[in-house]
Amino acid sequence: SQTIHQWPATLVQPVGSPLSLECTVEGTSNPNLYWYRQAAGRGLQLLFYSVGIGQISSEVPQNLSASRPQDRQFILSSKKLLLSDSGFYLCAWRPGTGGGQPQHFGDGTRLSIL
Amino acid sequence: AQKVTQAQTEISVVEKEDVTLDCVYETRDTTYYLFWYKQPPSGELVFLIRRNSFDEQNEISGRYSWNFQKSTSSFNFTITASQVVDSAVYFCALSLSGSARQLTFGSGTQLTVLP
Repeated sequence: SQTIHQWPATLVQPVGSPLSLECTVEGTSNPNLYWYRQAAGRGLQLLFYSVGIGQISSEVPQNLSASRPQDRQFILSSKKLLLSDSGFYLCAWRPGTGGGQPQHFGDGTRLSIL
Repeated sequence: AQKVTQAQTEISVVEKEDVTLDCVYETRDTTYYLFWYKQPPSGELVFLIRRNSFDEQNEISGRYSWNFQKSTSSFNFTITASQVVDSAVYFCALSLSGSARQLTFGSGTQLTVLP
């Protein structure tokens, strides 16, 4: 069966520091991969998605970037964190084919910027 | 552009009551998919159900049921005989049939079931 791993679970970083969050999927090939952010107040905002290695689409301009160096690895990065980057970050995957397949989410990373 | 509206920000019920969570969507596409997710206090999003735009048949799974009505662009979720473990934030989401199939989420409904 397929599983998704996301780490770290929690992270406290000072303003201006770099960031790297990692997400890996097991048990599938060529998945679609997604990064979401959930700020206080519950709304989920799609940040990036990828349909293949090296293919990244950004949904909102911001301080963050994403990369997909391997088929089942998705990385969220920042060179300099801002206070506004605080939030709950969720990685998700779905099969690359099949019309209505749902996205499946990792356990998330709670990021606090001090 | 598509949009999902969950007008109920918070709902509080007493255990064993029935509760309905509303979801209204907007899209110009004729092919789309609707989803419900549950987010318990631990934070992970749990997939509950998927519906495609060509299937208006309602579905029941245990205490959960879903009512999809294209005429009113609604996809409502009912929990029968609610339990404390049902306390969570529930999200409705919409996906189109494009290659990346991004999800557009509603703002969520916080359901609290009191003992």
